[in-house]
Amino acid sequence: EIVLTQSPGTLSLSPGERATLSCRASQSVSSSYLAWYQQKPGQAPRLLIYGASSRATGIPDRFSGSGSGTDFTLTISRLEPEDFAVYYCQQYVSSPAMYTFGQGTKLEIK
Amino acid sequence: QVQLQESGPGLVKPSGTLSLTCAVSGGSISSGYWWSWVRQPPGKGLEWIGEIYHSGTTNYNPSLKSRVTISVDKSKNQFSLKLSSVTAADTAVYYCGGTSWYSLDPWGQGTLVTVSS
Repeated sequence: EIVLTQSPGTLSLSPGERATLSCRASQSVSSSYLAWYQQKPGQAPRLLIYGASSRATGIPDRFSGSGSGTDFTLTISRLEPEDFAVYYCQQYVSSPAMYTFGQGTKLEIK
Repeated sequence: QVQLQESGPGLVKPSGTLSLTCAVSGGSISSGYWWSWVRQPPGKGLEWIGEIYHSGTTNYNPSLKSRVTISVDKSKNQFSLKLSSVTAADTAVYYCGGTSWYSLDPWGQGTLVTVSS
């Protein structure tokens, strides 16, 4: 089973700053199979990035994804107040078909 | 735009069976999505439970496979989750979602299920 480890656990930044969130896989993951989500308290997760670097519909371009193999990154170029939330990475494996999530990174206001 | 809505009992007794339904609106359940269930214990992370295609083909999380059944009802445009032999560890918010491009979108709003006597 591929394990996703996100770092840091908590990231404290100010609005306007740049955020860099990491997701490391225990084995190589196809870039096509890596996604990122944002979750605010009391809400369902929201898809931000799929295929490691493709923004989902309606996602602002300050959100970008990159990486390959075992190391993936979500970058928020200039933090807006509404960006403070928990972020999860997710990967898919095809045999057997299964989705797994990282443990999450909490992005909090400094 | 496809929208999802979970429904079902909010309280289940230990050793009982958790049953939830996800109604699909704004599109057909036969549209090409796979349909998933994901859960989130209070204050914790996300766990994928399993998925189903409109043909009835399923994939389950190996850690839950022995207790999970996901089914689809095309006539009602909905799919369902059954989780048997529940314990307090199954207390969680349960989400349904559509799966495409190896990611989940859209999501339902989620429903809290508490396992308690």
